[in-house]
Amino acid sequence: GAVVSQHPSWVICKSGTSVKIECRSLDFQATTMFWYRQFPKQSLMLMATSNEGSKATYEQGVEKDKFLINHASLTLSTLTVTSAHPEDSSFYICSARLTGQGARWNTEAFFGQGTRLTVV
Amino acid sequence: AQKVTQAQTEISVVEKEDVTLDCVYETRDTTYYLFWYKQPPSGELVFLIRRNSFDEQNEISGRYSWNFQKSTSSFNFTITASQVVDSAVYFCALRAMTGGFKTIFGAGTRLFVKA
Repeated sequence: GAVVSQHPSWVICKSGTSVKIECRSLDFQATTMFWYRQFPKQSLMLMATSNEGSKATYEQGVEKDKFLINHASLTLSTLTVTSAHPEDSSFYICSARLTGQGARWNTEAFFGQGTRLTVV
Repeated sequence: AQKVTQAQTEISVVEKEDVTLDCVYETRDTTYYLFWYKQPPSGELVFLIRRNSFDEQNEISGRYSWNFQKSTSSFNFTITASQVVDSAVYFCALRAMTGGFKTIFGAGTRLFVKA
């Protein structure tokens, strides 16, 4: 299957600083990537849909100025948590869907391994 | 609205027992896809199966089997002869056109398999 790589796998940062998380599709192009957040013992909640070359679409309740998403190429999307606070500590997961020839909306989305963010 | 309900929060079984994880979904779309994912302690999501709304055939893959029933909007997952390595959180998910092709996850079921 296709591979999605997230970096870093874990990060600890001080309150008030910003953290950037990268999501890369290693062997396929992805026009659309998705960012999820998962609090301990909870489900994955979609934060935003990242579209290559255009603005991300944020879910209701997600602060777009706090969670900056950039999808500058067909293989890379980044999520920057700005002015992080302890309540932002969570597990962040991205997924990417195959695009291009043969891809359809129902194509399987491949998930990165996740980034565990701890804000102290 | 799209919704996925996994009523079982946690299940604990002894190795070699069979276990069924329930999933009930809601959508008004006639075309949709259902998924099951496994999330081991490491955190990464492992894709298990995708089923489209027009294919109600049950599927078996080794010790795993899935029962899709449109009449009850259910997509249940059974592990036969469970093993300790099956211990994980299992998520059922739905993707439909009306939802903008977003994947909606259930709350997850945490499965503990004891030796």
